Amino acid sequence: GAGVSQSPSNKVTEKGKDVELRCDPISGHTALYWYRQSLGQGLEFLIYFQGNSAPDKSGLPSDRFSAERTGGSVSTLTIQRTQQEDSAVYLCASSLGGEGLNTEAFFGQGTRLTVV
Amino acid sequence: GQNIDQPTEMTATEGAIVQINCTYQTSGFNGLFWYQQHAGEAPTFLSYNVLDGLEEKGRFSSFLSRSKGYSYLLLKELQMKDSASYLCVKGSNDYKLSFGAGTTVTVRA
Repeated sequence: GAGVSQSPSNKVTEKGKDVELRCDPISGHTALYWYRQSLGQGLEFLIYFQGNSAPDKSGLPSDRFSAERTGGSVSTLTIQRTQQEDSAVYLCASSLGGEGLNTEAFFGQGTRLTVV
Repeated sequence: GQNIDQPTEMTATEGAIVQINCTYQTSGFNGLFWYQQHAGEAPTFLSYNVLDGLEEKGRFSSFLSRSKGYSYLLLKELQMKDSASYLCVKGSNDYKLSFGAGTTVTVRA
């Protein structure tokens, strides 16, 4: 696609329910990142994929959070048994990655998750 | 962590110049980015430095010193629309991007 696409754009869920957030990166981008941003706060790193592998999962806040990427393309971030503190905007970004220099990351518009 | 440090807030007058400094851990360095984020929007790319020196792009310039682990973003001829958060981002050899907490710039008339 022309840009990074995230769905849904907004999600309201009840505490304790599971949610799935989807990210469709720019075609050909091998690197994919998930961040979250609480209101008025900076970006918090969650997980990073290079192809289908996740070399760095250090940012996942708890074992309720998991992510996968298939076919080197679409990624899904799953939050199980959601809690109110999970409420935030979840941002996905992709970049060319691969050998050589870093390249700029392009961000999707985010999924605003509200746990009630 | 990557110890990316930048000031929390800066305020300047319309038409003025503001310089946002950023320091980072030099290990594994592979490029320094600056992003702009308006409230309620996703970050957008502003600049990229991989070699020492100044990169100029219109009203915005970015500087890098790799040996010092230091970069700055210079905003000239400030406009009201420049009010936003500016994020210093370090690229690493493993292609991970590490974001600073951001500097909120407020432009006043």
